[in-house]
Amino acid sequence: SAVISQKPSRDICQRGTSLTIQCQVDSQVTMMFWYRQQPGQSLTLIATANQGSEATYESGFVIDKFPISRPNLTFSTLTVSNMSPEDSSIYLCSAAAYSQETQYFGPGTRLLVL
Amino acid sequence: ELKVEQNPLFLSMQEGKNYTIYCNYSTTSDRLYWYRQDPGKSLESLFVLLSNGAVKQEGRLMASLDTKARLSTLHITAAVHDLSATYFCAVDRRTSGTYKYIFGTGTRLKVLA
Repeated sequence: SAVISQKPSRDICQRGTSLTIQCQVDSQVTMMFWYRQQPGQSLTLIATANQGSEATYESGFVIDKFPISRPNLTFSTLTVSNMSPEDSSIYLCSAAAYSQETQYFGPGTRLLVL
Repeated sequence: ELKVEQNPLFLSMQEGKNYTIYCNYSTTSDRLYWYRQDPGKSLESLFVLLSNGAVKQEGRLMASLDTKARLSTLHITAAVHDLSATYFCAVDRRTSGTYKYIFGTGTRLKVLA
């Protein structure tokens, strides 16, 4: 199993600003993902964070709005850029050691944009 | 487009009763995952079902997979209050060299004392 930490755990931000969320895994993993979850809803995949290359974004999510970095096999960041109130959500980082293995999730970052 | 649907979406049940949550998915997948999410918390992995006919059990929860029917079930036996949570199933998919997991709609379970 993997233990995942996220920072910050929550934040309140002003419209038009940007926030970078950090995700740290306690072991090397092949795959890392970023999700968004609205309260009471399922998870929506934002992107797959690829080590050493550009992230793979899902339909409806673009790199200019959600730039992602993954400099090594244990760390990734997600930036929410030029925020609006619609970006208020819970952002979850997850990791899997390899494909066909279950994901382990970080505790999430609760973001409120005013 | 791969879709994963669960039913029911909401389930309120009495302690001691049995019930089954269903997870249907729209395209071929040999692996299915179940997760639990407590209110205000992140997701916890429950089961990984890796092949047709797979059955896994942990305590009062038992999960099974029928890949031909594209159906997984999560059976709850003699429910207790501590099982109150939201349960998600997920399938994985490889497309264009990338690998990702698609989550179901979730089933919010409330066990009444």
